[in-house]
Amino acid sequence: DVKVTQSSRYLVKRTGEKVFLECVQDMDHENMFWYRQDPGLGLRLIYFSYDVKMKEKGDIPEGYSVSREKKERFSLILESASTNQTSMYLCASSNREKLFFGSGTQLSVL
Amino acid sequence: QKEVEQNSGPLSVPEGAIASLNCTYSDRGSQSFFWYRQYSGKSPELIMFIYSNGDKEDGRFTAQLNKASQYVSLLIRDSQPSDSATYLCAVIASGGSYIPTFGRGTSLIVHP
Repeated sequence: DVKVTQSSRYLVKRTGEKVFLECVQDMDHENMFWYRQDPGLGLRLIYFSYDVKMKEKGDIPEGYSVSREKKERFSLILESASTNQTSMYLCASSNREKLFFGSGTQLSVL
Repeated sequence: QKEVEQNSGPLSVPEGAIASLNCTYSDRGSQSFFWYRQYSGKSPELIMFIYSNGDKEDGRFTAQLNKASQYVSLLIRDSQPSDSATYLCAVIASGGSYIPTFGRGTSLIVHP
């Protein structure tokens, strides 16, 4: 089975902190994604990556950056966390079209 | 802007009934269609996918696709309380980007 592992299930940070969310997949997938999910707004794509060191902006990249130094790892970075970034963050990897999601990180920014 | 529309629900059905979940999409070039199930507090998991017009059955689940009407649906036969979840429709356009556009999901409640 594909396994996508997110490093933290719950995270509490202060406004202005730099936040790192880590995601690791074990199936040698080319594509990796970061989404945030908010009630009533559904899944919104922040960034995706189709190869090592390659990244593309999604629908809501403002306030975020990403890093993919190794194929299996895709990191989401909040340079200066703000309260409106409180959300559920979901990482996914894909074998072409079928996405496999991690268990999510519920981030609270106070 | 590619759009995928779903009724947010909740759709409430009695145990044993057929639940019908619907999804429309705006991009006529869409080629691949997916249904993900998301239990409360959990992450989405893929349960069905369909590429061609018509029906595709897998156990109690049937996905139906009508490209002319830009419509995809998911039928759940003999619905169980354990089917209570949010169902997300996702669509991928042609062109090789493999980036899905998700609908906002339909909440399904199956009551005993």
